[in-house]
Amino acid sequence: DVKVTQSSRYLVKRTGEKVFLECVQDMDHENMFWYRQDPGLGLRLIYFSYDVKMKEKGDIPEGYSVSREKKERFSLILESASTNQTSMYLCASSLFDGYTFGSGTRLTVV
Amino acid sequence: DAKTTQPNSMESNEEEPVHLPCNHSTISGTDYIHWYRQLPSQGPEYVIHGLTSNVNNRMASLAIAEDRKSSTLILHRATLRDAAVYYCILRGVSGGSNYKLTFGKGTLLTVNP
Repeated sequence: DVKVTQSSRYLVKRTGEKVFLECVQDMDHENMFWYRQDPGLGLRLIYFSYDVKMKEKGDIPEGYSVSREKKERFSLILESASTNQTSMYLCASSLFDGYTFGSGTRLTVV
Repeated sequence: DAKTTQPNSMESNEEEPVHLPCNHSTISGTDYIHWYRQLPSQGPEYVIHGLTSNVNNRMASLAIAEDRKSSTLILHRATLRDAAVYYCILRGVSGGSNYKLTFGKGTLLTVNP
């Protein structure tokens, strides 16, 4: 079965810390995405990548950066974590058809 | 991005068919209609997608209006495990940023035993 794996299910970090969220897919997909999901706001796209070393801003990129050095891995970086970045983070990958999502990382910034 | 409109919530009884509507009056000729669902505490899950013709798979059927301005996701026999938020999304095909999905609020489906 195809998989998107997010490195942590739950994460607690302190304000000001640099945070790395890792996502790995085993489907040789070119496209990868990072979303965050908050109650009442739904899923919002942070960044996406349609090729190695390529990245594009989504709808809410402020406070985030990404890295895609290899096709299978897409990392989301919170340069200096803040409490308003407490959220569920979801990674996804796709080729041409459906997206496959990971199980999510629930990040709490204290 | 072309927008979709879905009811906020719907209710169904177990083992009965469910028809989830979606309006997308500004759809472009190359937009595919995608459906995803999200069960509680899980990431979204791909359900089905189509362009013009009706589509069937093991999970559901997708009925697309002739003018493509609306579509209906059909669950033939709802089970309690089908209780989820269902998202109808339009997706382009020409590559790059057209591959991104923009999620709306979706329809919360409740299935009664």
